Amino acid sequence: DTEVTQTPKHLVMGMTNKKSLKCEQHMGHRAMYWYKQKAKKPPELMFVYSYEKLSINESVPSRFSPECPNSSLLNLHLHALQPEDSALYLCASSRTGGSGTEAFFGQGTRLTVV
Amino acid sequence: GQQVMQIPQYQHVQEGEDFTTYCNSSTTLSNIQWYKQRPGGHPVFLIQLVKSGEVKKQKRLTFQFGEAKKNSSLHITATQTTDVGTYFCAGPGTNAGKSTFGDGTTLTVKP
Repeated sequence: DTEVTQTPKHLVMGMTNKKSLKCEQHMGHRAMYWYKQKAKKPPELMFVYSYEKLSINESVPSRFSPECPNSSLLNLHLHALQPEDSALYLCASSRTGGSGTEAFFGQGTRLTVV
Repeated sequence: GQQVMQIPQYQHVQEGEDFTTYCNSSTTLSNIQWYKQRPGGHPVFLIQLVKSGEVKKQKRLTFQFGEAKKNSSLHITATQTTDVGTYFCAGPGTNAGKSTFGDGTTLTVKP
């Protein structure tokens, strides 16, 4: 199984809603990532979990809250988002958290904030 | 932080023509990765280059890492419509686990 599975694929939420994005991998990877990608732009790193611990937070606003319940799962909790947060949210995993390891991306959640 | 610059931003070719995208860094890179993202899709890992002057081939794709490890290129020979998408290079960031993506080159292929 070389897949990273993300749910939901599409999400429309109001600015007062609370929602969660989910990501799962069963490749035994010990690093998991959340990226945000706007149209025609490269993925921007948000968070890195390494061995289930948050190792990098790229100054992401607190309305985004990551969680890593176990080595296979990664969640991104969303609360009080703004319309400019609309984007494709990508989860990725890699064997380790070191730079230079191949990252496997999920298909992403296309988020629209209204 | 470490940045990689990628050119061109867009490339339109006729099917059968060749295509090259370039990635440049002001600092030495320990490695560089290449990803392809199809329209509406997600980035898919293509290859990683580690050694100075390294050249790797995948069918019609040729990847090179410069001697100084500050630049890299991806060359596609005889493009096909299946090659359309955005090609990103990614260099290692300043923190372990943080890769820095170039802005990407979006390739369109006219049949």
